[in-house]
Amino acid sequence: EVRLVESGGVVVQPGGSLRLSCAASGFTFDDYTMHWVRQTPGKGLEWVSVISWDGGSTYYAESVKGRFTISRDNSKNSLFLQITRLRTEDTAFYYCVKDMAMSTSWYFDHWGQGTLVTVSS
Amino acid sequence: DIQMTQSPSSLSASVGDRVTITCRASQYISTYLNWYQRKPGKAPKLLIYAASSLQSGVPSRFSGIGSGTAFTLTISSLQPEDFATYYCQQSYTPPPTFGQGTKVEIK
Repeated sequence: EVRLVESGGVVVQPGGSLRLSCAASGFTFDDYTMHWVRQTPGKGLEWVSVISWDGGSTYYAESVKGRFTISRDNSKNSLFLQITRLRTEDTAFYYCVKDMAMSTSWYFDHWGQGTLVTVSS
Repeated sequence: DIQMTQSPSSLSASVGDRVTITCRASQYISTYLNWYQRKPGKAPKLLIYAASSLQSGVPSRFSGIGSGTAFTLTISSLQPEDFATYYCQQSYTPPPTFGQGTKVEIK
């Protein structure tokens, strides 16, 4: 059974930083592209970032480019999202999401339960 | 970015009802359209991919149809476990974008 378990969500002040983690199990992690998707009350579901199976290729939503960094450690079956210069509009549940394919298909076949990031002073 | 618009935003239905949700894309997306179900406190779940392909393990009462810019998700006979919010998503051109969601509530 595929499992994706996020952690690292906290309450943080605007301008702060944090790192989200996702522990993956139940599939061959380094066979698949991985994503982060977030859900905000105001904007609904928003795709955030993608990383290729080997970590060699990354891509970001315009709203987070330059502030967020996605990475992965295939030896530990883990996905990460480093977030800096946080804004109030970054408040959201952040989901770790598995792509259906090794090469990016943009079909999201498994999701974690999410971790809540709250940006507030 | 491609804009995805769902209708209705919410609906009330009874167990056994046939439910239809519509999703429209702001430009042509062929059949690169996926449907997800989200329940409070649970991970979102892929129901339909490529407009009409049923994801493994998803009950056959769920079906999808459409191409180009207009798509439909149908639940043939609504079950108690189907009360949830449903989202469409285009996977034609990055960045992938989602509809705003349709909340299916108990009448």
